[in-house]
Order: sequence, then C-alpha cells, then structure tokens
Amino acid sequence: GESVGLHLPTLSVQEGDNSIINCAYSNSASDYFIWYKQESGKGPQFIIDIRSNMDKRQGQRVTVLLNKTVKHLSLQIAATQPGDSAVYFCAERGYNKLIFGAGTRLAVHP
Amino acid sequence: KAGVTQTPRYLIKTRGQQVTLSCSPISGHRSVSWYQQTPGQGLQFLFEYFSETQRNKGNFPGRFSGRQFSNSRSEMNVSTLELGDSALYLCASSLDRVDGELFFGEGSRLTVL
Repeated sequence: GESVGLHLPTLSVQEGDNSIINCAYSNSASDYFIWYKQESGKGPQFIIDIRSNMDKRQGQRVTVLLNKTVKHLSLQIAATQPGDSAVYFCAERGYNKLIFGAGTRLAVHP
Repeated sequence: KAGVTQTPRYLIKTRGQQVTLSCSPISGHRSVSWYQQTPGQGLQFLFEYFSETQRNKGNFPGRFSGRQFSNSRSEMNVSTLELGDSALYLCASSLDRVDGELFFGEGSRLTVL
C-alpha cells in the first residue's frame, strides 16, 4: 500500500549548524508533499509544501527538495536554533487524506 | 482567529468502554479529518468529513466512527475500547479538501487501562 517513511529516526545537531531531514515516499503518482513540525504536547504545524512539478522550494530558513526520480524528499533547516527541536514529519497527499511518515526527532544542542 | 479546538485534552478509560472526542474546526473550515498518533504507528488517517459527509476512511475497524454536524464541528467515537487504542487523537481542519495546509488541534490523549 501507500507509505511514506523516513531514513533517520533521530537527528542531533549543534546550534547554528544546518539540518537535513530525509524522507522517502512510495507512490510515484503523488503530486503534493508537506513537511510538518510537532513540538511536545502540540499538534503538527505546517512548515512548507511542494508540488511535484517543482524540485525545490524555499521558505524562511527552510528549504524542501524533491527528487522524483528516487522518490525522495528532504527538509533543510539553515542555522538550526534550539526552538527547532521537535519531531518533523513529511506527508504525501492521498485521496482526501495525508499519508504521514514516521517522523524524525531533531535535537539541537548548544 | 481561534484555532482548532479539541476536547477533552486528556482522558482515561478502561477496556470495553466507549469514548467520544470532539473537534471544533477553524471558523469557515468545512473539512475536518482525524488522525491517530501512536509511537509505533505514527500518524494514521482515520476519516475525513466535508459538509457532514464522510469522504474517506482509513484502515481502522468499525469500532471507530465519526460524524460532522452542520456547523462543521465533528466528533469521533471509539466503542469497546482496547488497550491498543491508547493514543493521541488529532483533529485537523482545512478550507476545502484535505490537502494544502491542514491546521491541527493539540489532540485528545486517550489512555485505555
């Protein structure tokens, strides 16, 4: 069936470094992808999205890259800050639903 | 503008009981979807409602059901609770389809003993 997964369950980075969180998806027909951030005790929060007709999209300190050839997504966070510590999910659009990956925990160390 | 509101935030039930969770979407949002979040399975889609109609349902047993009211508020119900139903139940709303930006509530944490 459809699935969206992540390569690394936990990522530890130093404050100020760049972070890269990866995600693999299985449905080559998927046309829309989203990254969410979930802080402890809160619901997921939208970070950035990308449509399949794009390879790259940039936001404030975040960039999403899409490689359709290998069905891979990545989220890059520039100059990672302590406030970026959270679990990050990629999601893939299905029919009237989103299919979420398992999540990667990002831990930012001073 | 108020966000998505879920009640109750925390609840404890015992096996065999049933539970009803409530979700009030952002004003103007007509699509409401529900997700179950567990450490082992991550975020799993339960169902999605739009204008009081269920448009999609995930792979959950019939013990899980939901509905949406004319004011877009939604409820989900789990009957005959099992230990494995312990999870964070998240509700999300959006303007139209369940894509684009979903706005999530903070969830209802259910513990089944």
